[in-house]
Order: sequence, then structure tokens, then C-alpha cells
Amino acid sequence: DADVTQTPRNRITKTGKRIMLECSQTKGHDRMYWYRQDPGLGLRLIYYSFDVKDINKGEISDGYSVSRQAQAKFSLSLESAIPNQTALYFCATSDVSGRAHNEQFFGPGTRLTVL
Amino acid sequence: RKEVEQDPGPFNVPEGATVAFNCTYSNSASQSFFWYRQDCRKEPKLLMSVYSSGNEDGRFTAQLNRASQYISLLIRDSKLSDSATYLCVAGNFGNEKLTFGTGTRLTIIP
Repeated sequence: DADVTQTPRNRITKTGKRIMLECSQTKGHDRMYWYRQDPGLGLRLIYYSFDVKDINKGEISDGYSVSRQAQAKFSLSLESAIPNQTALYFCATSDVSGRAHNEQFFGPGTRLTVL
Repeated sequence: RKEVEQDPGPFNVPEGATVAFNCTYSNSASQSFFWYRQDCRKEPKLLMSVYSSGNEDGRFTAQLNRASQYISLLIRDSKLSDSATYLCVAGNFGNEKLTFGTGTRLTIIP
């Protein structure tokens, strides 16, 4: 089984709809992240969380919200989806070991299309 | 100017050749550096971390030049399975924020 899972894997929705993307991990990591990837722009950080009580905005948080329901679960919400939120969304996790070179592990991605 | 800049390619290289990618970063406070590999429509996966002393992992060698804010990746004896997009990444201490380059696309030709 995959260590980091995302649901749904693909979603088509309409402008103005609320949508939630979910991420679960079995790696036991404290840190979780949400990114979006767009052609020509690379991966950009939306939100990140160091533990259940910690939520931080990333580079492009406007139009998004998150919830850290448990150590293993981190969900991303689009309250009112708009077409320029069409992108590939990745969840990632990392260990809080304090070492400088801890790796981020990515989920398989959710391809979201907003019509 | 992007914080992490890479040549997007594509690089089309014959099997067995050596290929080099370069990357520059603008944030002098960056403390950690990585190369990630991303296959088409798949998630990024760590290829290797990049240390100031340089490091090698099999056919792959990574170098960091802090003075020039420059990172490189060398792939020797390239294989068909090396075809992918290679992402240059810079992070602050603790890696709570990673900044990704847009990636360099590599295709190995038989």
C-alpha cells in the first residue's frame, strides 16, 4: 500500500462549487504539505502543517483552506472553485527529525479541473 | 526572477551519453538543496540531496557552489529509464519550505 494517498485522483467540477481534496499518510510523519503544479510554474506551496494544532500559509494560500484532522490526515478545501485553480495538486509529508536534509514524500496527486 | 531557475529543455540525449543539468537559486539564505525526479503525470521523488562537498550516487553526481548560487546534476552512461523531468529544489533550514524549479525535461533516445 502507498504511504501517502490522495483522494480523489481526478475531479471535474464547476465554477463556484466547494470541493475538498483529502490526503492520508501512514509514514507517521508530523509535517504535511499541500502543493499545486502548473505547467511552466513548477510546484508551489499552498499550506503546510507541523502538527495537528499548527497550520501555516504558503506561497499561494488565497482561495484555499486546510484542516489537519489528525496526524495522518490533511485536507485541502476550495470554498468556491474558479477555473484558474485547475491544476495538479500534491500532498507531501516529511519527518521532523531536525536534520537539514529530510526528504519530502509526495502523494500520487489529484488532477482538478474547474469548468 | 524565479527563486530557482532551470533550463526547461527538452534535452534529447542518446543512450550511454553523459548529460549535465544546471540550476541557479536566488535566495542566499537557502540551506538545503535537492534534485527530485518526476515521471510524466507522477509525483516527484527525491533523487539525491546536494551537499557542499559534492556527492555521488552511482551514475549521478551533484555539485553545489554556494558562492555562485549554482547547483548541478551530472548523469553518466544514461539509460532509457533516466527519461523524466528533473526538478532542482532549494530549502530553508528544517525544510518547512521547499522552492522548486520548473524542471528540466530529459529524453534518452535508443
